[in-house]
Amino acid sequence: GAGVSQTPSNKVTEKGKYVELRCDPISGHTALYWYRQSLGQGPEFLIYFQGTGAADDSGLPNDRFFAVRPEGSVSTLKIQRTERGDSAVYLCASSYTPATQNTGELFFGEGSRLTVL
Amino acid sequence: AQSVTQLDSHVSVSEGTPVLLRCNYSSSYSPSLFWYVQHPNKGLQLLLKYTSAATLVKGINGFEAEFKKSETSFHLTKPSAHMSDAAEYFCVVSHASGGSYIPTFGRGTSLIVHP
Repeated sequence: GAGVSQTPSNKVTEKGKYVELRCDPISGHTALYWYRQSLGQGPEFLIYFQGTGAADDSGLPNDRFFAVRPEGSVSTLKIQRTERGDSAVYLCASSYTPATQNTGELFFGEGSRLTVL
Repeated sequence: AQSVTQLDSHVSVSEGTPVLLRCNYSSSYSPSLFWYVQHPNKGLQLLLKYTSAATLVKGINGFEAEFKKSETSFHLTKPSAHMSDAAEYFCVVSHASGGSYIPTFGRGTSLIVHP
């Protein structure tokens, strides 16, 4: 079956612009995560959905970042008034395992590379 | 709180020699531990996971890791490196807390394999 799909794969934008990044998880996966990976660093947690609701958004750096998952499948990460420091690869992952079980493998997409000029 | 420390940012080996990538973790609870691999321009892929069963875990492509609670370590090993093993490796710790399940990544170790 299809894996996690992220679009666009590359996005170049100007400082101050609005950006949307889309994630299409594996069908049937209830958990969805967004991570941000800067050059030379490990993925940094942003937000986690269980179904339609954001179960934990403690990793969002500020109120310019927002994510939705209205129907419990596709998710969109939205960044307002982009800054040069937002440049990174944004990774999406999904998992079948509910939050209460400690055994969930994450399945990752290939990421969306955002460059803010 | 949980965290993971990958002790080496780069490890360089010759093809056919053993690989050791070190990872120490900190967790207030009994953790699940994972190793992921990231090849250039590819998505992260699970190598292996520890979830409180056997302490020696076997993964794909000949990799193994041993959970040592007394040392809070989960080092990744392979007896003989192959050129195709060259990639970035991430150690990950996770546990369920307050309804959330947030895997935390280390900063990664770049494995370089020389012919």
